[in-house]
Amino acid sequence: EVQLVESGGGLVQPGGSLRLSCTTSGFTFSTHVMTWVRQAPGEGLEWVSSVSTGGGSTNYADPVKGRFTISRDNSKNTMYLQMNSLRAEDTAVYYCAKQPPTDLYFDYWGQGTLVTVSS
Amino acid sequence: DIQMTQSPSTLSASVGDRVTFTCRASQRISLWLAWYQQKPGKAPKLLIYRASTLQSEVPSRFSGSGSGTEFTLTISSLQPDDIATYYCQQYTSHPLTFGQGTKVEIK
Repeated sequence: EVQLVESGGGLVQPGGSLRLSCTTSGFTFSTHVMTWVRQAPGEGLEWVSSVSTGGGSTNYADPVKGRFTISRDNSKNTMYLQMNSLRAEDTAVYYCAKQPPTDLYFDYWGQGTLVTVSS
Repeated sequence: DIQMTQSPSTLSASVGDRVTFTCRASQRISLWLAWYQQKPGKAPKLLIYRASTLQSEVPSRFSGSGSGTEFTLTISSLQPDDIATYYCQQYTSHPLTFGQGTKVEIK
């Protein structure tokens, strides 16, 4: 069974940092592109960032470019999102999602972790 | 960036009704479109990919169609378990973008 479990969310002050983790099981992690998607309270889904199978290629949405860093550790079947210079508008549930081998949609999602940026 | 526009924003229908909602892309995306179902407080769930391919274990009352810029998701006979918000997503190029969602309610 494919499982994705996010952790690391919480309350942080504006300008602060947080590191999210996505621990996975049930599939060959190293052969799948992985992604973070977020959802602000009461809002829709927003793609945040994706990382290639080996970690050498990354993509970011414009609102987080230069502040967030995505990475992965294939030996630990885990993906990360380092979030710096956090802003109130980064408040959201952050989901990790797995992509199938050849397409860029998301076939499995974690349950999400809430990040709240507030003073 | 490719903009995705869904309509209507909210749809109210009765159990057993056939319901259809639309997703339009701001430029041609061929068949690179997925549909997700999100129930309140839960993660999204993949329903359809490549515009019309049903994900495994998704009930056959769900179907998708379209290509290019206009796509539809149809529920052939609405069930109480289908109460959710439905999102489309284009995956022809980064940034990957979602529609704003269609919320389905039971009348």
